[in-house]
Amino acid sequence: QAVVTQEPSLTVSPGGTVTLTCGSSTGDVTSGHYPYWFQQKPGQAPRTLIYDISNRYSWTPARFSGSLLGGKAALTLSGAQPEDEAEYHCILSYLGARPYWVFGGGTKLTVL
Amino acid sequence: EVQLVESGGGLIQPGGSLRLSCAASGFSVSSSYMTWVRRAPGEGLEWVSVIYAGGDTYYADSMKGRFTISRDNSKNTLYLQMDSLTAEDTAVYYCAKTGGPWDWGQGTLVTVSS
Repeated sequence: QAVVTQEPSLTVSPGGTVTLTCGSSTGDVTSGHYPYWFQQKPGQAPRTLIYDISNRYSWTPARFSGSLLGGKAALTLSGAQPEDEAEYHCILSYLGARPYWVFGGGTKLTVL
Repeated sequence: EVQLVESGGGLIQPGGSLRLSCAASGFSVSSSYMTWVRRAPGEGLEWVSVIYAGGDTYYADSMKGRFTISRDNSKNTLYLQMDSLTAEDTAVYYCAKTGGPWDWGQGTLVTVSS
């Protein structure tokens, strides 16, 4: 099975910009991996932030954007707010004859 | 509005079995992709299993043969039967409506310990 990698932790200043990435051990991340991004705060369930590379969910603030960047899926936060401090998880789909999905290890984002 | 409520978690001895339930409302599980995900203490999220609308099921390698995903369309409920549990299965288990933007339940805690 594939391994999906994320930065373990990142720090951003309030109002600043940060990019989180999501890579695959099998090669470049493409649209066929349907990358998703989820936000999870302590004691809460995850919630969908971005789906299918760059689509925001109904609640997702416009300061979050998704893309493919340098062979990885990327989540960019522009204008970080204190409430954005959370863990961010990506997931990639591997849709072969026997499909499976793999989460990255998560990125702990600190707004400081 | 999509709502998912998990239940069935608890303390179970190693080698035991447990069945988790996920009661859905606001949509039909029979016409949706439904997924189980877990998060062990100190670890990241881990994909467990999916059941397609057509009934096909798929599992993560570490769960295959021990876990079984199913649904009861009349009860609009998703299940996860977990057998031969070990301490490594200790986690919060979430169900999610997938196949589009994921909608998540709040999770149920499973603790495998003697």
